[in-house]
Amino acid sequence: DTGVSQDPRHKITKRGQNVTFRCDPISEHNRLYWYRQTLGQGPEFLTYFQNEAQLEKSRLLSDRFSAERPKGSFSTLEIQRTEQGDSAMYLCASSLTSGAQETQYFGPGTRLLVL
Amino acid sequence: AQKITQTQPGMFVQEKEAVTLDCTYDTSDQSYGLFWYKQPSSGEMIFLIYQGSYDEQNATEGRYSLNFQKARKSANLVISASQLGDSAMYFCAMRAWNRDDKIIFGKGTRLHILP
Repeated sequence: DTGVSQDPRHKITKRGQNVTFRCDPISEHNRLYWYRQTLGQGPEFLTYFQNEAQLEKSRLLSDRFSAERPKGSFSTLEIQRTEQGDSAMYLCASSLTSGAQETQYFGPGTRLLVL
Repeated sequence: AQKITQTQPGMFVQEKEAVTLDCTYDTSDQSYGLFWYKQPSSGEMIFLIYQGSYDEQNATEGRYSLNFQKARKSANLVISASQLGDSAMYFCAMRAWNRDDKIIFGKGTRLHILP
């Protein structure tokens, strides 16, 4: 399978705990995106990387959130001191910069529940 | 500001019938791309079809076609000969090429195909 993969698929944690999610993009893709999706909504952009450089962060990404892509391949998204409002699906997508039709391909997501 | 509007929260369609999912968008940019994604209950966002703002022909991909009306800022998805496996959430999305690299999603339409 050469698609985008995410781990874990589900995570249940207690409020105040830290959690870390991993995303492995399609191997030749140089861009990697993180989105958050809450119930009944479309995905909302959080941040993205081109190779190892983090180029943009949404204002949705509070100081408790940090993302890395140290070698320009896989990425991690860490949430510190989780809150119940962090409960959501966290989606990762990757793309290859190719001009006009740059399509993002998504992984299966990590569903987070904060108790 | 960029915005995607999907006015149909849910639709019920008989199997084998054609279905049109509505999408309107708002942008001041001249160069942009429009996307449709399908999200089954498993959570993964599946890319369906793309339309560039300068494309003169409506995009088609198998049973999917995009009815692009630029003056009306509308990008409706048409699914021909619907199948039970088409039951899912469908998201319309847009990216402005000269602005930034994130995709803006609508709230989605839940499509139910009836046997």
